[in-house]
Amino acid sequence: GAVVSQHPSWVICKSGTSVKIECRSLDFQATTMFWYRQFPKQSLMLMATSNEGSKATYEQGVEKDKFLINHASLTLSTLTVTSAHPEDSSFYICSASIPGTGAYNEQFFGPGTRLTVL
Amino acid sequence: DQQVKQNSPSLSVQEGRISILNCDYTNSMFDYFLWYKKYPAEGPTFLISISSIKDKNEDGRFTVFLNKSAKHLSLHIVPSQPGDSAVYFCAASFRDDKIIFGKGTRLHILP
Repeated sequence: GAVVSQHPSWVICKSGTSVKIECRSLDFQATTMFWYRQFPKQSLMLMATSNEGSKATYEQGVEKDKFLINHASLTLSTLTVTSAHPEDSSFYICSASIPGTGAYNEQFFGPGTRLTVL
Repeated sequence: DQQVKQNSPSLSVQEGRISILNCDYTNSMFDYFLWYKKYPAEGPTFLISISSIKDKNEDGRFTVFLNKSAKHLSLHIVPSQPGDSAVYFCAASFRDDKIIFGKGTRLHILP
């Protein structure tokens, strides 16, 4: 199956700093990638849809200035958490679907990135 | 407002028996449903899906049943194995790629 990677897998940072998380589709090109956030014992919450070559589409309640998404190529999307605070500590997961395979694509998920803000 | 609901946060099943995970949804426009399995500190992995035009889909030990009138779907795992212990997410989508997840059910397979 299609492989999606994330880097780093785990990051600890100080409050007020910015952290960049990379999401790569390794063996396919993804025009659309998705960023999710998961809190303990809660559902995966879609944060934004990342579109190659255009601005990301953010879900209601997600601060676009805080969670910067860039989809510069067909295989790479980045999520930058700016001025991170302890409440941003979470598990961030990206996913991608293979274009042209129909409207009901399975999404292939990255392994996730655990962010801890001190 | 949760559109996809998994009302059981956890479930324990004896190894070899059948595991049944339930999911309810509120949006009748959903036309595709998926189940994902997730181990701790890993991303979810796709398990099985079903289109709204079907009421059953089977793949090996996994079967998903869809009851559109009740807006209910279930995942059956038989026989349950130790490696099935994980969190299972029910998800639904409508036409586009956006998928809405339930909160998940943690399945414990007991030896």
